[in-house]
Amino acid sequence: GAVVSQHPSRVICKSGTSVKIECRSLDFQATTMFWYRQFPKQSLMLMATSNEGSKATYEQGVEKDKFLINHASLTLSTLTVTSAHPEDSSFYICSASQTNEKLFFGSGTQLSVL
Amino acid sequence: GENVEQHPSTLSVQEGDSAVIKCTYSDSASNYFPWYKQELGKGPQLIIDIRSNVGEKKDQRIAVTLNKTAKHFSLHITETQPEDSAVYFCAAERSNQFYFGTGTSLTVIP
Repeated sequence: GAVVSQHPSRVICKSGTSVKIECRSLDFQATTMFWYRQFPKQSLMLMATSNEGSKATYEQGVEKDKFLINHASLTLSTLTVTSAHPEDSSFYICSASQTNEKLFFGSGTQLSVL
Repeated sequence: GENVEQHPSTLSVQEGDSAVIKCTYSDSASNYFPWYKQELGKGPQLIIDIRSNVGEKKDQRIAVTLNKTAKHFSLHITETQPEDSAVYFCAAERSNQFYFGTGTSLTVIP
């Protein structure tokens, strides 16, 4: 299957700092990328849908100024957690797809905010 | 919108036995149904999928069945092995939006 690369896999930061997570589709052009948050032993919670060259669509309850998403090209999307706080600690996962094609996930980023 | 329900939430089987996970969906416009396996600390991995014009698909020990009329689809794993232990998610796709089930934690007991 297609490969979606997500970095970093783990990050520890101090409260108040910003963290950027990258998601790249390595062998296909992703018309759409999705960002999820996952709490332990729970399902995937969709945060936002990102289409190349346009603003991301955020799910209800997700602060767009807190979680900045940039989808600058057909192979790269970034999620920036701004002014991170301990409650932002979580497992963040990206996924990518072409229109009407399969959805592939990155390996996830474990964010710990001290 | 679409609503995907998944059962059971946890499943334990003896090594070598079969495991079945079931999902239902609500929107008849959904036409693509993937299954994902997620190991601890990793992202979900696509293991098998089925489109609405097909009733069954098999890949070695894994099979998926789809009943469009009843709006349900199932994952079947035969001859289970300890490495099959993971969390499995079903999903339904409509208009490039994916809706996920709540996951099934499968434990294969050696």
